[in-house]
Amino acid sequence: KAGVTQTPRYLIKTRGQQVTLSCSPISGHRSVSWYQQTPGQGLQFLFEYFSETQRNKGNFPGRFSGRQFSNSRSEMNVSTLELGDSALYLCASSFDLGGGPDTQYFGPGTRLTVL
Amino acid sequence: DAKTTQPPSMDCAEGRAANLPCNHSTISGNEYVYWYRQIHSQGPQYIIHGLKNNETNEMASLIITEDRKSSTLILPHATLRDTAVYYCTRNNAGNMLTFGGGTRLMVKP
Repeated sequence: KAGVTQTPRYLIKTRGQQVTLSCSPISGHRSVSWYQQTPGQGLQFLFEYFSETQRNKGNFPGRFSGRQFSNSRSEMNVSTLELGDSALYLCASSFDLGGGPDTQYFGPGTRLTVL
Repeated sequence: DAKTTQPPSMDCAEGRAANLPCNHSTISGNEYVYWYRQIHSQGPQYIIHGLKNNETNEMASLIITEDRKSSTLILPHATLRDTAVYYCTRNNAGNMLTFGGGTRLMVKP
């Protein structure tokens, strides 16, 4: 079974631009979560989507947004990019059977560099 | 604070057991302990998880103390390919993994 895939793998943008990252979950997985990883802050939860609805949100500004499509694929968008947005953006998916936490499986990440 | 606490780095001899500790003293009753590892800034790889009982799979064993305030990940026979950053995390029903700083494990020949 194919794992979580993320596109693009690498991206270079300039300050003020916006960017959209894409995530395809493992087949059958219904929950998609996004995380940001930086050397200074480590791995931080951005948000989680389930059934096309944002179910949980981390402590990030409104410039960070996302959505999920009916096939569970997800995108996240960052508007008005800042230098501090340079990071590895990771997507994780899980079945979400209900009734408790489910194991999340991570994709390879998208490395975003903001110049 | 919902984060976990781990030693920043550890060394282990190849072929020996690697025991990685984690403190999660504020864990709540319905939170699971999950362990992941990350190699060369790839996506974190799932290793094992547990709630209150000890667990074992083909990769590792997980020992959770009775009061659930700490746990230990055991790699029974570490190899050079086990060199990675190991993260102990907590997961509630909301699928929000809370990561600490992780332990950088160096397996040496």
